[in-house]
Amino acid sequence: DADVTQTPRNRITKTGKRIMLECSQTKGHDRMYWYRQDPGLGLRLIYYSFDVKDINKGEISDGYSVSRQAQAKFSLSLESAIPNQTALYFCATSRGGSQREQFFGPGTRLTVL
Amino acid sequence: DQQVKQNSPSLSVQEGRISILNCDYTNSMFDYFLWYKKYPAEGPTFLISISSIKDKNEDGRFTVFLNKSAKHLSLHIVPSQPGDSAVYFCAARVWSAGGTSYGKLTFGQGTILTVHP
Repeated sequence: DADVTQTPRNRITKTGKRIMLECSQTKGHDRMYWYRQDPGLGLRLIYYSFDVKDINKGEISDGYSVSRQAQAKFSLSLESAIPNQTALYFCATSRGGSQREQFFGPGTRLTVL
Repeated sequence: DQQVKQNSPSLSVQEGRISILNCDYTNSMFDYFLWYKKYPAEGPTFLISISSIKDKNEDGRFTVFLNKSAKHLSLHIVPSQPGDSAVYFCAARVWSAGGTSYGKLTFGQGTILTVHP
């Protein structure tokens, strides 16, 4: 089935560690996004990419970096994790053009101790 | 600056009754609005949407209403079912000044809907 997958699904790490969250999609979509969800704050955009050569910061990009290795792969890195980066992280994809709907992966629960 | 707000963190409804979830926005440049549903341990899934040129869109038990003058949209679920219990997010998109959609969505905080049997 065409799908958006995220690995790992759960991760516990310590302050200062480098963490990479990975996202793969088989939908053939050009656009990919990384969000984080915090209680009471909804989903906030971290980074987005409209194609392999296009990377853009979202509203909360500080402390994060991304890599678009291929059309189907978009990874999110925390160079030096801190406790307030504890959250649910979601990857999403969409087609280009007039496409409005985004399709989300199952999420990664990250805990930074 | 929260451009999309869902002021009710939770809503509890009896099975068979109507559920009304509300969303307010401040950016008059939003041209498209979406509702997503999220179950625990899953990603959000698209539910229904509405363009800013319309005031109502219906899909089965789900209807979205848009009041542009009040910058307010609502999602009606009739009749509500226990399987509708989930977190509901509204989201909005800005059509860029150049006429090309960048696809970015701004989400509200979410409302937890609980439908009791």
